[in-house]
Amino acid sequence: DQQVKQNSPSLSVQEGRISILNCDYTNSMFDYFLWYKKYPAEGPTFLISISSIKDKNEDGRFTVFLNKSAKHLSLHIVPSQPGDSAVYFCAASRTMEYGNKLVFGAGTILRVKS
Amino acid sequence: DARVTQTPRHKVTEMGQEVTMRCQPILGHNTVFWYRQTMMQGLELLAYFRNRAPLDDSGMPKDRFSAEMPDATLATLKIQPSEPRDSAVYFCASGLVRDGRGSPLHFGNGTRLTVT
Repeated sequence: DQQVKQNSPSLSVQEGRISILNCDYTNSMFDYFLWYKKYPAEGPTFLISISSIKDKNEDGRFTVFLNKSAKHLSLHIVPSQPGDSAVYFCAASRTMEYGNKLVFGAGTILRVKS
Repeated sequence: DARVTQTPRHKVTEMGQEVTMRCQPILGHNTVFWYRQTMMQGLELLAYFRNRAPLDDSGMPKDRFSAEMPDATLATLKIQPSEPRDSAVYFCASGLVRDGRGSPLHFGNGTRLTVT
């Protein structure tokens, strides 16, 4: 049972345009959501997070939106750069019960074309 | 810049052999995780330790996998006997949980395991 789903295996975007990566979850007990970026032959690196008490968090070119009623979150990257080409993982946790134990989605490959 | 260190980076072995993967978490972190990355499943949780105590290993095939933390600076994941379906990249991650709040996890660069 996949509790965190990233339904788009890949996304291709032109440099300078907006990239939108989507993530859906099924467990309403999740209270903290994160995005990780992964380059080939490296481990995932933390990108941005959002608590369930918020609906938006912004950090430079990266913004995460959370829609709790729809159990949906998205990552916006604007403007997209070739260096953003990587696999993006959505993750969720139930911090009160499990601390920082994360459940991950399957990932979305982002390709930013120059 | 503190890092999670994993060894070996690559391991090729024959079916039936024992495989041991090692992880040095970031100093001061009190949670350690083992994840496995496969093409179909993304990142699957195998084991979770807090303050060196195993809290969750429900994702591990119990008959062949074992995870331990002999001390705060070393976590190990063993597979015995290994099978071709174990071929994957295994990641170790560490983080800090304090006062009910957890930090984002920091990942090592993984061990790519190939079982022939």
